[in-house]
Amino acid sequence: QSALTQPPSASGSPGQSVTISCTGTSSDVGANNFVSWYQQHPGKAPKFMIYEVSKRPSGVPDRFSGSKSGNTASLTVSGLQAEDEADYYCSSYAGNNRVFGGGTKLTVL
Amino acid sequence: QVQLQETGPGLVEPSETLVLTCTVSGGSMNSYSWTWIRQPPGKGLEWIGSIYYSGSTNYNPSLKSRVTISLDTSKNQFSLKLSSVTAADTAVYYCARGLRGNDYWGQGTLVTVSS
Repeated sequence: QSALTQPPSASGSPGQSVTISCTGTSSDVGANNFVSWYQQHPGKAPKFMIYEVSKRPSGVPDRFSGSKSGNTASLTVSGLQAEDEADYYCSSYAGNNRVFGGGTKLTVL
Repeated sequence: QVQLQETGPGLVEPSETLVLTCTVSGGSMNSYSWTWIRQPPGKGLEWIGSIYYSGSTNYNPSLKSRVTISLDTSKNQFSLKLSSVTAADTAVYYCARGLRGNDYWGQGTLVTVSS
């Protein structure tokens, strides 16, 4: 199984919106709706941000939203805030396996 | 509030077996899958494998020949064994709840493979 493809970096100014893509295949992202997203600040454990493509766990701001089209999932962060600067990872269920993306470093300018 | 805590040696010699335990508190292990994920220094996340509360397991194909995950619900623990380790297995190892998505994570433990 290959890792999902994410851009290594993304950036935006405070208040702007930024979208991070996550491209897989018809065997993972395109095969089901079990795509999840994680936020990781330096030295910390990942935090659960989005599950089943577009659902937000309790406590996650509605500035974070997820979507999917075909084999590509996306995470959009609206109204960027300084604390959103972090690494973001997508993940997909893939037939009894899991695969992660390589991660995207989001910089708030 | 569910909490997970990884424990185990921080240093393992090459060719030996890495053994980690994750203790779950604040909730039942029933009806959930439990997962190990690792992150080499400066790199991304890698799923190692998961175990369902029934005991059935799923492993990353690239690690399957070296990995065993087991469950002890009486102690609210699950464990990871990774055999024949090399320097490439040096990473922060996380335990987490869930298979299709991970809502609760441990803080992670750094395991270094070195003689």
